[in-house]
Amino acid sequence: GENVEQHPSTLSVQEGDSAVIKCTYSDSASNYFPWYKQELGKRPQLIIDIRSNVGEKKDQRIAVTLNKTAKHFSLHITETQPEDSAVYFCAASKHQKLVFGQGTRLTINP
Amino acid sequence: DAGITQSPRHKVTETGTPVTLRCHQTENHRYMYWYRQDPGHGLRLIHYSYGVKDTDKGEVSDGYSVSRSKTEDFLLTLESATSSQTSVYFCAIRVGQGVDEQYFGPGTRLTVT
Repeated sequence: GENVEQHPSTLSVQEGDSAVIKCTYSDSASNYFPWYKQELGKRPQLIIDIRSNVGEKKDQRIAVTLNKTAKHFSLHITETQPEDSAVYFCAASKHQKLVFGQGTRLTINP
Repeated sequence: DAGITQSPRHKVTETGTPVTLRCHQTENHRYMYWYRQDPGHGLRLIHYSYGVKDTDKGEVSDGYSVSRSKTEDFLLTLESATSSQTSVYFCAIRVGQGVDEQYFGPGTRLTVT
């Protein structure tokens, strides 16, 4: 079955700097790759996603890139702000089922 | 919140007792999912449903059963709760035809003592 690895597990950056979180997947048939943000005590919230026929997608300060050949995808957050502090999860989907990475705790230092 | 509610939101139960968690949606989506979330493991799929009375197992289904007798409700049952089932349980729905986006309910924190 699918396996998703996410790195790093924790990330601390200065406010205004960029943050990058990386994920790899094992099943080349996976075709949908969402990213979720989860604040403490809250539900995971979908923040951006990308499909296998697209290499890059951007939404304001966040972007996701996908390299199908290498089977990895990344989340990029630019101009980080204190409200970006949260746990971020990547996932890969095939046949309507998501497999999640282990999560990255992002801390933005003022 | 995509019209998803979960009940109860918090529950403490004893080892060996049965527990049922409820997920309710208001928008008639076909696919519904149950996940558990534990530190260091992300979210793991327990069971999912692709229609009334149509369910299938996820990666961590042992010790859990599900039922879906109507579109809006998806029930997760722990037949005999164990301490290893202490977790936060999230329900999710898949939105739309041919769309993989999943939206999560608020979660249920279950403690088995």
